[in-house]
Amino acid sequence: KQEVTQIPAALSVPEGENLVLNCSFTDSAIYNLQWFRQDPGKGLTSLLLIQSSQREQTSGRLNASLDKSSGRSTLYIAASQPGDSATYLCAVRRYDRGSTLGRLYFGRGTQLTVWP
Amino acid sequence: EPEVTQTPSHQVTQMGQEVILRCVPISNHLYFYWYRQILGQKVEFLVSFYNNEISEKSEIFDDQFSVERPDGSNFTLKIRSTKLEDSAMYFCASSGQVNQPQHFGDGTRLSIL
Repeated sequence: KQEVTQIPAALSVPEGENLVLNCSFTDSAIYNLQWFRQDPGKGLTSLLLIQSSQREQTSGRLNASLDKSSGRSTLYIAASQPGDSATYLCAVRRYDRGSTLGRLYFGRGTQLTVWP
Repeated sequence: EPEVTQTPSHQVTQMGQEVILRCVPISNHLYFYWYRQILGQKVEFLVSFYNNEISEKSEIFDDQFSVERPDGSNFTLKIRSTKLEDSAMYFCASSGQVNQPQHFGDGTRLSIL
């Protein structure tokens, strides 16, 4: 069974700092990895998707990397802003035996607070 | 930007009653999913649906649960004879292709009394 761990569980930083959020997974046989943002009481907003054959993806101030062999991904946030405050979730898509579409396995998330 | 829509946003139900949670996926998407998140816990996969049938279901998705795509736009999750432990946030998601990002709705908070 796939286990996904995110470190740190919580992070509080001043505005303007560059941040690194970490995600690790136990089974490297993944199809892809997706980073999400979750605001309190809201759904999940997809930020970046990295296919298993890719090393990184970028969107604006966000950059996600994937090292499948070591079971790790990082989300880099440049020049953080108060509006970045949210919980960031990492999810890996894995095909279990008999699976046709695969399923997402989620971490618990990193709760980020950026203060002005 | 197209989005996944879920109704109701909050559902309060007596234990033992049936509930139907509704979702309108993004219009040109083909793959549909339900997840749940119990307060303070991880988001958990429940079921995936493609081509009008269940593709995969988790251990949580037992005979109490069912899904349906009754028309070309709606995707529903039915929970029969609800239990206290069914209280959670339920998320619907959809994707255009299997290797594309899954897009989530804002969820339905289900409270069983």
